[in-house]
Amino acid sequence: DAKTTQPNSMESNEEEPVHLPCNHSTISGTDYIHWYRQLPSQGPEYVIHGLTSNVNNRMASLAIAEDRKSSTLILHRATLRDAAVYYCILRDLTGANSKLTFGKGITLSVRP
Amino acid sequence: DAGVTQSPTHLIKTRGQQVTLRCSPKSGHDTVSWYQQALGQGPQFIFQYYEEEERQRGNFPDRFSGHQFPNYSSELNVNALLLGDSALYLCASSLAFETSVGETQYFGPGTRLLVL
Repeated sequence: DAKTTQPNSMESNEEEPVHLPCNHSTISGTDYIHWYRQLPSQGPEYVIHGLTSNVNNRMASLAIAEDRKSSTLILHRATLRDAAVYYCILRDLTGANSKLTFGKGITLSVRP
Repeated sequence: DAGVTQSPTHLIKTRGQQVTLRCSPKSGHDTVSWYQQALGQGPQFIFQYYEEEERQRGNFPDRFSGHQFPNYSSELNVNALLLGDSALYLCASSLAFETSVGETQYFGPGTRLLVL
C-alpha cells in the first residue's frame, strides 16, 4: 500500500477552520484517499473519501491536489468534540484489497 | 440500528493463555475485519473474513486465528499469549459488494486486552 505522511500534531481554536494536511507522493491511479478519525476511547470512524475531485459532506471537506500527491482535510468550524487523531489512508480498491493501512495519524487539539 | 458491537470490553490474561474476542457487525454488513492497536500507534490490520472464509491477512503469526459465522458475526482467537499482545483489538464491518467504490468500514469500540 502507498504510504502517507502527516504532521504529528496540530492545535486549533474552537469555532475556527482547521486544515489537516497529508502527503502521498507515491499514490497510484487506483488509490482512493480516505480519512478516518479516532476520538478518545473509541474506535476509528469514517470521515470522508475521494479520488480526484474535491468532496464535501456534513462532517468535513476534502481538497485533493491536482497531481493527487497531497490532500487536505478541512473542518470548517472546529468544536471541542473534533479533538481526535485523524488518519489519512490510501486504499487500492482494485481486486480484493480493501484493508485499511493506518499510520500514526495527526493528533488535533482544540482550544476553547 | 445497532452499530458494531464487541465483547468483552476489557480482558486480563496471563502469558501463555488463550483468548477469544467477539464481534457483531453492523446490521446488513457481511464482511468483518480485525485490527490490533498498540498504545500510541495506529491500528494494524490482522485479517478479514467474508463468506465465512479468511480473505486477506496482515503480517501476524498464526497464533492469531479467526472465524466467521453464518450470521456474519466473528471471533478472533489468540493462542499462547505474549506480553506484546497487550493492545486494543478493533473489529470493523463493511459490505463486500461496495469494495470497488470505496466502501466505509464501521468500527466497534474495541476490546482492551492486557497480558500479564
